[in-house]
Amino acid sequence: KNEVEQSPQNLTAQEGEFITINCSYSVGISALHWLQQHPGGGIVSLFMLSSGKKKHGRLIATINIQEKHSSLHITASHPRDSAVYICAVSRNGAQKLVFGQGTRLTINP
Amino acid sequence: DAGVIQSPRHEVTEMGQEVTLRCKPISGHNSLFWYRQTMMRGLELLIYFNNNVPIDDSGMPEDRFSAKMPNASFSTLKIQPSEPRDSAVYFCASSRDAGTGELFFGEGSRLTVL
Repeated sequence: KNEVEQSPQNLTAQEGEFITINCSYSVGISALHWLQQHPGGGIVSLFMLSSGKKKHGRLIATINIQEKHSSLHITASHPRDSAVYICAVSRNGAQKLVFGQGTRLTINP
Repeated sequence: DAGVIQSPRHEVTEMGQEVTLRCKPISGHNSLFWYRQTMMRGLELLIYFNNNVPIDDSGMPEDRFSAKMPNASFSTLKIQPSEPRDSAVYFCASSRDAGTGELFFGEGSRLTVL
């Protein structure tokens, strides 16, 4: 079993829908990252969090340390949100990230 | 700041040739990471440096791969000799703090080994 599991692996939705991507991990962590990668493009860090909730525009990330779970929400989704979203964790005492397999999101107009 | 700068963006080479990928981290960042991304394996950490010193190179696939960071503003990843299975996108990333700092990625270097 992977240390970081994301669900769903693929998600297709209509423009305007509320999107939730989930990430569960099985190790103690010092931080959790949400990354975005557009097709053929680079990787952008969306959030880094170790507790609570963060919001940036239409994106919200939450983390529950006790349950070892994080969610990435997108409100009023738009076709330009179509990308692969990757969850990654920094393990306690370690400095390298462990990555989830990514969630491919497609928003249709 | 210009962000993390990688070169070349694309490289096509023949099996057996030496490949050198370059990275300039964001000024002031003390940690630098080299990642490889393939369809089969996703993102994998190859090596990371803290204050120019290699900390963990356990992800480097084999002796054909080597990485250096001669100063705080430059790093190279070298593959010699290259093989078709090395074809991938290689990302460089930097952060202020390797454990808890936000990561900033370069655009990646897409390598094709024929």
